[in-house]
Amino acid sequence: AQTVTQSQPEMSVQEAETVTLSCTYDTSESDYYLFWYKQPPSRQMILVIRQEAYKQQNATENRFSVNFQKAAKSFSLKISDSQLGDAAMYFCAYRSANSNSGYALNFGKGTSLLVTP
Amino acid sequence: EPEVTQTPSHQVTQMGQEVILRCVPISNHLYFYWYRQILGQKVEFLVSFYNNEISEKSEIFDDQFSVERPDGSNFTLKIRSTKLEDSAMYFCASSARRNSPLHFGNGTRLTVT
Repeated sequence: AQTVTQSQPEMSVQEAETVTLSCTYDTSESDYYLFWYKQPPSRQMILVIRQEAYKQQNATENRFSVNFQKAAKSFSLKISDSQLGDAAMYFCAYRSANSNSGYALNFGKGTSLLVTP
Repeated sequence: EPEVTQTPSHQVTQMGQEVILRCVPISNHLYFYWYRQILGQKVEFLVSFYNNEISEKSEIFDDQFSVERPDGSNFTLKIRSTKLEDSAMYFCASSARRNSPLHFGNGTRLTVT
C-alpha cells in the first residue's frame, strides 16, 4: 500500500508571509493523483489543490501552489500571502489512477498550520 | 455550489447500540465513500460504493459495518453494535467519476459511551 508522510506536525507563519508544507509518498506506480486537503476547526475537509502525476507543470490555485517532484516522490504545498483564515490542519493525500489498485485516498497524518497576526 | 450533506452532525450512542449515519451525496456523482477520523489521527478509508455495490473496503470495515443506498439520494453507513473505539468523526464523500476529486461532507461526530 502507498504511504504518505508529512514530517511537520506543526508549522507557524506570520500573516502575509509564505509557508511551505512538506509531503512525501511511497509508490511503485507511475500514474496517480496527489491532493492537499484543508481541515479548519469546523472539521470539514476542503480540497485545496490537485496534481496529476503525468503532468509536469505544477498545479496552482490562487495563493496555493505545489512543488511536485516525481522522481523524489515529493509534493509540497506553498501558501503565499498567508491569511488568518488559512489556519487549519492540512492533509496530503495520494490516490492511484489504476482502477485495479482501488479507490481509496491515502492520507498523511497532517500538518497543523498556525497563522499569527 | 452543490455539496455533500451529512446528518446528524453529532450522534451520541451507548456501546452495543446500532447507529445509522446519513449522507446525501452531490446529485450527479456516481461514486460514494465513507472515511473516518479518530480524534487527533489521520483520515482513514472505510469503503467505496459504486453501481449499487461495494467496490472496495478497508480492514476497518468489518462485519459490524454496512452501507446502503436505499433510494436515489441517500447513502448510509450502519454500525450494528457500536464499540467505544468506534468513536470518531465519520466523513461521507462523493465523486463524479472514479478519478475525480472527492467532495467531503462536514462529517458526523460519533461518540460511543
